[in-house]
Amino acid sequence: GNSVTQMEGPVTLSEEAFLTINCTYTATGYPSLFWYVQYPGEGLQLLLKATKADDKGSNKGFEATYRKETTSFHLEKGSVQVSDSAVYFCALNSGGYQKVTFGTGTKLQVIP
Amino acid sequence: EAQVTQNPRYLITVTGKKLTVTCSQNMNHEYMSWYRQDPGLGLRQIYYSMNVEVTDKGDVPEGYKVSRKEKRNFPLILESPSPNQTSLYFCASRGTSGGGWAQYFGPGTRLTVL
Repeated sequence: GNSVTQMEGPVTLSEEAFLTINCTYTATGYPSLFWYVQYPGEGLQLLLKATKADDKGSNKGFEATYRKETTSFHLEKGSVQVSDSAVYFCALNSGGYQKVTFGTGTKLQVIP
Repeated sequence: EAQVTQNPRYLITVTGKKLTVTCSQNMNHEYMSWYRQDPGLGLRQIYYSMNVEVTDKGDVPEGYKVSRKEKRNFPLILESPSPNQTSLYFCASRGTSGGGWAQYFGPGTRLTVL
């Protein structure tokens, strides 16, 4: 079956530091890949997505590249802010199947 | 404003007392689903619905029921809640966005079963 593996958190960074959150996946077919963000006390929001190999999703300074050869979709940001503190979820949807598989989430804390 | 709403946001109940968590979306989406979020386990899908009167089990359906009588509503029913159903629940609907599709999540319902 499909699965998503994320690096364990929490990740603590100083403001303006470089962020990488690793995500690897196992899936049949050609999945679409997503990053969601969950701010404290809120539901999940779509951050970015990529639907085919070598696509790069980007939003709000965050980027992730769909790497089929390494089955990875790592999230990066060049300079984090305190407002980026949240839990980040990697997810995939494979083929026409309707279920989205989520990783366990990585908590990011950015300190001033 | 396009949104998914859930009620109640917080609920404390006792074992065996039937409860319903409502979910409503105003985006005319056909696909809706329910997830539970537990520490260390991420989000797991409970049930999903492709359209009115069409529902199917997700990964963890035991102890839950759903119905889809109208397109906008997708209530989650716990006929006889147990403590292991204490969790944070999210409803989501899915629609097109930027050439593809994306899920829109409600704000969550924190359920405690004593």
